Amino acid sequence: SQTIHQWPATLVQPVGSPLSLECTVEGTSNPNLYWYRQAAGRGLQLLFYSVGIGQISSEVPQNLSASRPQDRQFILSSKKLLLSDSGFYLCAWSNPRGPGGELFFGEGSRLTVL
Amino acid sequence: GDSVTQMEGPVTLSEEAFLTINCTYTATGYPSLFWYVQYPGEGLQLLLKATKADDKGSNKGFEATYRKETTSFHLEKGSVQVSDSAVYFCALKTNAGKSTFGDGTTLTVKP
Repeated sequence: SQTIHQWPATLVQPVGSPLSLECTVEGTSNPNLYWYRQAAGRGLQLLFYSVGIGQISSEVPQNLSASRPQDRQFILSSKKLLLSDSGFYLCAWSNPRGPGGELFFGEGSRLTVL
Repeated sequence: GDSVTQMEGPVTLSEEAFLTINCTYTATGYPSLFWYVQYPGEGLQLLLKATKADDKGSNKGFEATYRKETTSFHLEKGSVQVSDSAVYFCALKTNAGKSTFGDGTTLTVKP
């Protein structure tokens, strides 16, 4: 069966520090991968998605970046965090060959920037 | 562009009450429709889905019917439990591959 893991689960970082959130998927190959951000009490904002290694599409211009160094690994990064980067970050995958189209989410990473 | 509008919360119900959370959408083409649930501190889980008009998705006592004529996908449950307390998201996905989510509706069920 397929699983998705992301870490760390919780992170408290000072303004101006770097960020790295990691996500891995197991049990499938060539998944579509996504990073979403969920601000408190709000819906989901798509940040990045990837259809293959090294292929990243950005949905919202910001100081975050994403990379996909391996087929089932997706990394969210920042060189200098802002207060507004605080939120709940969710990694997700979908099967581009599957009929359903649903997303499978990781457990989430809560980032607090102080 | 594509959009999803769902009933604003929070919604508070007593145990065994009937639940309806409204969801309407705007999309080009023929999207697939989904309801996801998010329990406190966790990621989202797929609750149910429907991929074409008049399809009914169901799971754990929840149901939603894909209504093309009213562009709606309302979530219903006949008798809610305390364990149903969560945030519910309506979403669509078009053939272009991107998912669009509503803002979420927080449900609290009191014993």
